Amino acid sequence: KNEVEQSPQNLTAQEGEFITINCSYSVGISALHWLQQHPGGGIVSLFMLSSGKKKHGRLIATINIQEKHSSLHITASHPRDSAVYICAVTLLPSYSGGGADGLTFGKGTHLIIQP
Amino acid sequence: NAGVTQTPKFQVLKTGQSMTLQCAQDMNHEYMSWYRQDPGMGLRLIHYSVGAGITDQGEVPNGYNVSRSTTEDFPLRLLSAAPSQTSVYFCASSSTGTRNGYTFGSGTRLTVV
Repeated sequence: KNEVEQSPQNLTAQEGEFITINCSYSVGISALHWLQQHPGGGIVSLFMLSSGKKKHGRLIATINIQEKHSSLHITASHPRDSAVYICAVTLLPSYSGGGADGLTFGKGTHLIIQP
Repeated sequence: NAGVTQTPKFQVLKTGQSMTLQCAQDMNHEYMSWYRQDPGMGLRLIHYSVGAGITDQGEVPNGYNVSRSTTEDFPLRLLSAAPSQTSVYFCASSSTGTRNGYTFGSGTRLTVV
């Protein structure tokens, strides 16, 4: 059972395009995280959300708790944005079965921005 | 630079060998955790710790041991390596678990032959 689903799995776009990556989850959460992983690289935390919207530079993350859905947007995309974007959630203790403070991850969205 | 330091970056083991993956953070974070990343599976939680002296199992704990004798260090031990443990391992820390973002180490790529 996948508690965190991301779409699309793969996305190729042209430089300058507006990018949207979606994340849906099926159980109660206390927080949702967006992470970035460059090829062969480490993982960087972009946002942590429990409600509403956050913005950092060209990146915007939103969450709708009632619909159990989050989106990550990239404005004016650039080739350096090419990476895997991972959605992760912190489950509420009633759903985590003991791993209350750990993250549950989606499988990631592989984004390529072509010049 | 402040952050999470993982060593080694790469390791090849023979089946049955043991080793310890090191993880250290200098941010005084209470929460630390280990994940493995496998193609098509995404990242999965192995073990976590909410403070010195406290550890607990995650989603895939079998074959791994952890300890947390200090706030800074959270080593992951493979007692008898198996090919199924070939993976990329990430350590992460957070100041209060769910309330703040996570800081990840750069990863350890482990191959068991």
